[in-house]
Amino acid sequence: NAGVTQTPKFQVLKTGQSMTLQCAQDMNHNSMYWYRQDPGMGLRLIYYSASEGTTDKGEVPNGYNVSRLNKREFSLRLESAAPSQTSVYFCASSLLRTGGNNEQFFGPGTRLTVL
Amino acid sequence: DQQVKQNSPSLSVQEGRISILNCDYTNSMFDYFLWYKKYPAEGPTFLISISSIKDKNEDGRFTVFLNKSAKHLSLHIVPSQPGDSAVYFCAALSKAAGNKLTFGGGTRVLVKP
Repeated sequence: NAGVTQTPKFQVLKTGQSMTLQCAQDMNHNSMYWYRQDPGMGLRLIYYSASEGTTDKGEVPNGYNVSRLNKREFSLRLESAAPSQTSVYFCASSLLRTGGNNEQFFGPGTRLTVL
Repeated sequence: DQQVKQNSPSLSVQEGRISILNCDYTNSMFDYFLWYKKYPAEGPTFLISISSIKDKNEDGRFTVFLNKSAKHLSLHIVPSQPGDSAVYFCAALSKAAGNKLTFGGGTRVLVKP
């Protein structure tokens, strides 16, 4: 049981290049999330998918697109990378229930640098 | 406008003593508050949570207190251990807003042996 996995772990891009960050979970969770972490800013939600087949914008969606490929996989795409997108990106998943805290489980992160 | 704030960016405490981490929020509609712990180069891991209808939740060395009238919560770690050195994030869950978590900026805790 690997939990939430992310690839790649590190990436360096030049301004204007594109790339896709991959995320997969094996916990049969229905909801998945993409965050970015910047110093002093905590984690900010980029996009989320409450269930397979749905995606919604979070707090900072500009410059990103997502795809919920199936229940397990949720990818984040940067079409034209900018230096402001230099950050650490975390994927998370949770099992939404009527009661309970809907705790999210996080992957190890992808450290992205855009030059 | 930050809905969840952790005003202390860092905290240093002696091993065996109490660590108190604070968090303030502005939205009265949050349903749960969660604390996450993060080590360098790893993802955050869930530590403890509290429902908005409770005022205290305890799990081993960790206790979270919620003061709804002040829109304030705190995490107490007793006794603090060197392995507790990490960044701690406070997060608030809104089920009405799509079960999204809103995070504070984090507090870096250093426990000195």
